[in-house]
Amino acid sequence: GDSVTQMEGPVTLSEEAFLTINCTYTATGYPSLFWYVQYPGEGLQLLLKATKADDKGSNKGFEATYRKETTSFHLEKGSVQVSDSAVYFCAFDSWGKLQFGAGTQVVVTP
Amino acid sequence: GAVVSQHPSWVICKSGTSVKIECRSLDFQATTMFWYRQFPKQSLMLMATSNEGSKATYEQGVEKDKFLINHASLTLSTLTVTSAHPEDSSFYICSARGLAGVNTGELFFGEGSRLTVL
Repeated sequence: GDSVTQMEGPVTLSEEAFLTINCTYTATGYPSLFWYVQYPGEGLQLLLKATKADDKGSNKGFEATYRKETTSFHLEKGSVQVSDSAVYFCAFDSWGKLQFGAGTQVVVTP
Repeated sequence: GAVVSQHPSWVICKSGTSVKIECRSLDFQATTMFWYRQFPKQSLMLMATSNEGSKATYEQGVEKDKFLINHASLTLSTLTVTSAHPEDSSFYICSARGLAGVNTGELFFGEGSRLTVL
């Protein structure tokens, strides 16, 4: 069935390090893909999205490219900040509903 | 972005009692609201989808008599956990989508409500 697999956390990084969070999905067709972020004490919010193959979503220095061949949507940021500490969720649109991965906690230390 | 507010943010109750959680869209009309449940270190599990003025559609395996969902207005949906038991302890999250979000898939999420049943 439909599912999302993302790397387990927590991922601990130093400030200005490079961040990658892997995400792969199993779905019928070519769904829209999303990354949501949940900062401490807040609700989930959309970070970026891509709606078709080879699209690149970007926001706040984060990027993710829709890879149809590998059914992946890996999240990257070249230089993380302490304020990027949060839980990141990969998701895709499955018949109008969002299917989420388990979430990856990222901790950025000064 | 749009704001969705949940209340209460945390609640502790005795086994056998019922608990109501509210989800409000503060600055837009939410035609559709979703209720999720999140277990520790696991993904959000969709429980049900509710459209304003209609009965909620529950996902397979979710007891509709246990988790009562009401979406009586375009800005308010409620989830009532009836006769709660310790296994119902979890983090419940609502999300809302307005008309503009139907084709983009963008949802706006509440802060979540942590339920602990003793």
